[in-house]
Amino acid sequence: AQKVTQAQTEISVVEKEDVTLDCVYETRDTTYYLFWYKQPPSGELVFLIRRNSFDEQNEISGRYSWNFQKSTSSFNFTITASQVVDSAVYFCALTGYGQNFVFGPGTRLSVLP
Amino acid sequence: GAVVSQHPSRVICKSGTSVKIECRSLDFQATTMFWYRQFPKKSLMLMATSNEGSKATYEQGVEKDKFLINHASLTLSTLTVTSAHPEDSSFYICSAAGRGDSYNEQFFGPGTRLTVL
Repeated sequence: AQKVTQAQTEISVVEKEDVTLDCVYETRDTTYYLFWYKQPPSGELVFLIRRNSFDEQNEISGRYSWNFQKSTSSFNFTITASQVVDSAVYFCALTGYGQNFVFGPGTRLSVLP
Repeated sequence: GAVVSQHPSRVICKSGTSVKIECRSLDFQATTMFWYRQFPKKSLMLMATSNEGSKATYEQGVEKDKFLINHASLTLSTLTVTSAHPEDSSFYICSAAGRGDSYNEQFFGPGTRLTVL
């Protein structure tokens, strides 16, 4: 069975601090996809990134970066120089061929001014 | 990217009434649509999967007579909460996937917040 763990339930940081959100996954599939979504207070899921299991390259997009390590089954997300607008719930998700999306429990990030 | 809409975005109803939520893929054909439910401060839980023209597949513990799903066309799926009760109050999110893509790419709607009084 597939499983996603986000051990950090809530994180609070002060604006301009860097913050890393952890995601650990479990799967028996060799081909799978990992995702990060942002859910602001409005509720709409905002897609951030998709990574397939064969691509372990880290990715950077502006202030966002992702560290994918198959050896530790982790797909961590770092926000550099956080801003108040980054305050949201962040979900890590996993899917495999023929599988449904499995979402982690989410991490609520509060960025204080 | 592909756009998925939901209507209504928010609905308040009295206990015992039925509520229909629509999910539309606006610029692509969605062979598979998914319905999720999210309680406050909780994660998304898959309720059911529907393929166009077929009966929906419900996850364990989801009452199919309570949550009626229809996927009559490649751009529209509906979720009807029948005889709604306060415990059905939740945030309902749909997603849609094109042919063969459902396991690696789903496009999510903005969600519908249901409040049952």
